[in-house]
Amino acid sequence: ETGVTQTPRHLVMGMTNKKSLKCEQHLGHNAMYWYKQSAKKPLELMFVYNFKEQTENNSVPSRFSPECPNSSHLFLHLHTLQPEDSALYLCASSQEQLYNEQFFGPGTRLTVL
Amino acid sequence: GENVEQHPSTLSVQEGDSAVIKCTYSDSASNYFPWYKQELGKRPQLIIDIRSNVGEKKDQRIAVTLNKTAKHFSLHITETQPEDSAVYFCAAIDSGGYQKVTFGTGTKLQVIP
Repeated sequence: ETGVTQTPRHLVMGMTNKKSLKCEQHLGHNAMYWYKQSAKKPLELMFVYNFKEQTENNSVPSRFSPECPNSSHLFLHLHTLQPEDSALYLCASSQEQLYNEQFFGPGTRLTVL
Repeated sequence: GENVEQHPSTLSVQEGDSAVIKCTYSDSASNYFPWYKQELGKRPQLIIDIRSNVGEKKDQRIAVTLNKTAKHFSLHITETQPEDSAVYFCAAIDSGGYQKVTFGTGTKLQVIP
């Protein structure tokens, strides 16, 4: 598959579970992002990675832990989440950090019980 | 921090009419203003963007205008078609020192055939 892929597409977890979201981009980009999309709220930028280095953490709770092993892969590790963390989590990538078109993945629909 | 207001939240137009969506921002450091279209159940996709050194940009039926003094930018869609129906998001991005991305709350556009 080309572009930006995300797995899983749907995830249901309890508050005590630990899970990980995966994102992979096949576009040769050097910047990757995690966003949270909740109903009736703006897209919220969570983390930014540029050349594998984290450059932004927008006051995200520590129960969300990102990992970027290389420029093509991005993970979001989840632990002890709250029901209000239920949302669509979107990964995106771009050629140059923030100043060019971002290509979004299909998202992971997360439900926290 | 940056604050982006987007209006209207919903917009219905007859097919063939024009649609205008407006956004205002607060941070004069914002220098990149993309517009994304998100169809139901799909990922956001860039439709047009404008940088702070340009006042207007057009791509076929879509145009964006930017007024830096007033800190507002607008999306114009002419000759609307049913396939234009979607949620449209504006964003104000500071790609410089503070690396901030702020999205508007979205406009749900319905084009009535």
